[in-house]
Amino acid sequence: EAEVAQSPRYKITEKSQAVAFWCDPISGHATLYWYRQILGQGPELLVQFQDESVVDDSQLPKDRFSAERLKGVDSTLKIQPAELGDSAMYLCASSLDPGNTIYFGEGSWLTVV
Amino acid sequence: GEDVEQSLFLSVREGDSSVINCTYTDSSSTYLYWYKQEPGAGLQLLTYIFSNMDMKQDQRLTVLLNKKDKHLSLRIADTQTGDSAIYFCAESPNTDKLIFGTGTRLQVFP
Repeated sequence: EAEVAQSPRYKITEKSQAVAFWCDPISGHATLYWYRQILGQGPELLVQFQDESVVDDSQLPKDRFSAERLKGVDSTLKIQPAELGDSAMYLCASSLDPGNTIYFGEGSWLTVV
Repeated sequence: GEDVEQSLFLSVREGDSSVINCTYTDSSSTYLYWYKQEPGAGLQLLTYIFSNMDMKQDQRLTVLLNKKDKHLSLRIADTQTGDSAIYFCAESPNTDKLIFGTGTRLQVFP
């Protein structure tokens, strides 16, 4: 069964350092999402791509977060500089197109110390 | 606005039925979803229901939708210890993104 792949699975970084997460969506899925899940809460959307274009990044803290999907396939989410409050799980998800079922990866756990 | 609410905890005995409830606010949601999250893992899609349906059954899972009251429930029949997890309800007001509740932690004891 096809899956959304994410790496690294776990990352510990010091505050003010840079960190990056990678996501490879299910093959053929045009829509890609990055969600952030703080411990004890539900996931919240950070950014949505349709192919290589950003559709929604209204909740992305753009002073420190950036996301790209240059060739419309895999994607990178970067945080620079990391802050203590960024500790969370970062979930990547994909769907065939908007309105279709959204499938999630296993997530990348970030701990900022 | 968009808001999804769930109770935080549910504890049931193995073999009993579990009912997890959810209320949502956006009546324009075309689909409503239930996801399962095991400790340290990502979200697994369990089931979904189209907004013009009031019930959907899938093996041990039954989803009930009361669109008038904006209430969604997930019933798990014959609950097993492997069902212990956090269950998230999600609405899709624009059909292209998900708004999640805070999750209900289901604990199944022998």
